[in-house]
Amino acid sequence: AQKVTQAQTEISVVEKEDVTLDCVYETRDTTYYLFWYKQPPSGELVFLIRRNSFDEQNEISGRYSWNFQKSTSSFNFTITASQVVDSAVYFCALTGTASKLTFGTGTRLQVTL
Amino acid sequence: ETGVTQTPRHLVMGMTNKKSLKCEQHLGHNAMYWYKQSAKKPLELMFVYSLEERVENNSVPSRFSPECPNSSHLFLHLHTLQPEDSALYLCASSQELGGGLYGYTFGSGTRLTVV
Repeated sequence: AQKVTQAQTEISVVEKEDVTLDCVYETRDTTYYLFWYKQPPSGELVFLIRRNSFDEQNEISGRYSWNFQKSTSSFNFTITASQVVDSAVYFCALTGTASKLTFGTGTRLQVTL
Repeated sequence: ETGVTQTPRHLVMGMTNKKSLKCEQHLGHNAMYWYKQSAKKPLELMFVYSLEERVENNSVPSRFSPECPNSSHLFLHLHTLQPEDSALYLCASSQELGGGLYGYTFGSGTRLTVV
């Protein structure tokens, strides 16, 4: 069975602060893929990143960075110098040999001025 | 038009009504999915279609009936719903079943309110 845990339900930061969203996963598959999605108030889930289980390189894209550590089964997401537009619900997700994407419960990020 | 399009964006229906949600993708994807998102609950996978065949049905009540007439269209037919069915219904598609290689593309969802 697959499971994704996002322990942080809500996070509130002031603009320009850095913030890290935690994601811990469980799977018995040796090949699996991890994702982060952003859900703004409009409702649509926007794809941010995909990482496969054989690639533990950390990735940086602008203000976004991801830290994948197989040893701790974690795939954390950091936003540097947060902005109000970053306010959204962020979902971590996992897929393996099963035919479905399993989501965490999401972390609501509120960035204020 | 590109991406995944869902209509209507908002729907209010009575418990005795029959309505349908529509999802359309122009990405050439082979798999399509219905998810339910209720307040303070995880995203729940409802149905999975691969090449127009249903491959998964996660114990969804029979008042929800999916239909996939072709690989580009997915419907969710609703009848005799309950107030607890009020939620955001999200459609997604992926190039291959499971979405491992390229992930899922989501629509904007239909916000359903059952009164």
